[in-house]
Amino acid sequence: QPVLTQPPSVSGAPGQRVTISCTGSSSNIGAGYDVHWYQQLPGTAPKRLIYGNTNRPSGVPDRFSGSKSGTSASLAITGLQAEDEADYYCQSYDNSLSGVMFGGGTKLTVL
Amino acid sequence: QVHLEQSGAEVKKPGASVKVSCKASGYTFTSYDITWVRQALGQGLEWMGWISASKGNTNYAQKLQGRVTLTTDTSTSTAYMELRSLRSDDTAVYYCARGGYMYGYEIWGQGTLVTVSS
Repeated sequence: QPVLTQPPSVSGAPGQRVTISCTGSSSNIGAGYDVHWYQQLPGTAPKRLIYGNTNRPSGVPDRFSGSKSGTSASLAITGLQAEDEADYYCQSYDNSLSGVMFGGGTKLTVL
Repeated sequence: QVHLEQSGAEVKKPGASVKVSCKASGYTFTSYDITWVRQALGQGLEWMGWISASKGNTNYAQKLQGRVTLTTDTSTSTAYMELRSLRSDDTAVYYCARGGYMYGYEIWGQGTLVTVSS
């Protein structure tokens, strides 16, 4: 089981807002390690969407935003578009495992 | 532009070894760490380990300790991932990526499919 827990799936209609949660523990997110988010379109390599909890790389639309609180983090997508349909992964560091961890991934369906 | 080019698909028998390469271009190779991530078909991302391209320091996932070795060749700006004693559950797409756990992985290779089958 992944150390970081994400919902397997979320869905929303075009134009709506969805959030994807990433729940960790005191040895990863709660220990102060940053959370990063990736988007993976079918058949392609992951793309960094958010880094350092809240920062968007250049070229990523401001419809995507990240937040972190306590032992959890969230990715919010507003103004949902068909092209947002993809798998999303959170990632952080875990000091009890001394390694990087990914969440199990969340499949976003745009209805 | 910044690019990571990986070697082609491999088919291996159980018990064999595989070595995947990742050639960097468009930046100073020794200025960034290289991380390896794998993804079994239809499954999530699994971090395998990272290597400092400048110092050669490594950190491996506990699950793969003893079976995986990461190396770099700074003369050709190429990183390598070798996985030994292959099993069927090692069948996956293997990615190299530039970056570390502090800022995430900003550049990814295109992926290399490794199939382990008798």
